[in-house]
Amino acid sequence: GNSVTQMEGPVTLSEEAFLTINCTYTATGYPSLFWYVQYPGEGLQLLLKATKADDKGSNKGFEATYRKETTSFHLEKGSVQVSDSAVYFCALKVIQGAQKLVFGQGTRLTINP
Amino acid sequence: DGGITQSPKYLFRKEGQNVTLSCEQNLNHDAMYWYRQDPGQGLRLIYYSQIVNDFQKGDIAEGYSVSREKKESFPLTVTSAQKNPTAFYLCASSTRQQNNEQFFGPGTRLTVL
Repeated sequence: GNSVTQMEGPVTLSEEAFLTINCTYTATGYPSLFWYVQYPGEGLQLLLKATKADDKGSNKGFEATYRKETTSFHLEKGSVQVSDSAVYFCALKVIQGAQKLVFGQGTRLTINP
Repeated sequence: DGGITQSPKYLFRKEGQNVTLSCEQNLNHDAMYWYRQDPGQGLRLIYYSQIVNDFQKGDIAEGYSVSREKKESFPLTVTSAQKNPTAFYLCASSTRQQNNEQFFGPGTRLTVL
């Protein structure tokens, strides 16, 4: 089946620290991969995506590379800010069939000034 | 502005009552989805619809019902058969193209007393 496993949180960092949130997946077929962010009390917003192996998604200083050989899509940012505090979700979508997303459990990130 | 609206933001109901959550989109998207989010967990798919007058069960459909009479609207009814209805409910929509992202509404927090 299809599943996503994320690094367990919560994660607490100081401002300007380097961030990595690990994400690995299992999938039948060739999935597209996504990172979504959820700020307190809100819905999810797409942060970045990658649709094939070796693609790199990037947005707002965040990056993630689709690694087929390790079935991973780790999220990174070189210098985090207090405003990056949120819950981050890794997700996959298998292209064949219904357009359903499968989510990881989410990682809560807190950045201290 | 195009987007997805969910109302109300907070909803309280007594145990044993059915309740309907609203979801409207003006993005001209064919597909719509309902997810449930519980603390510390990822999103789980309740129902989805890829086109008007058609919908399919997701992973946790028991105790829920939906309708899709209009392209813009995809209401979710939480019935008295749902054992643990208290949760944060998120609606999303997307085009039917491959590799497309899902856009999320702001969510409705349902509390059953």
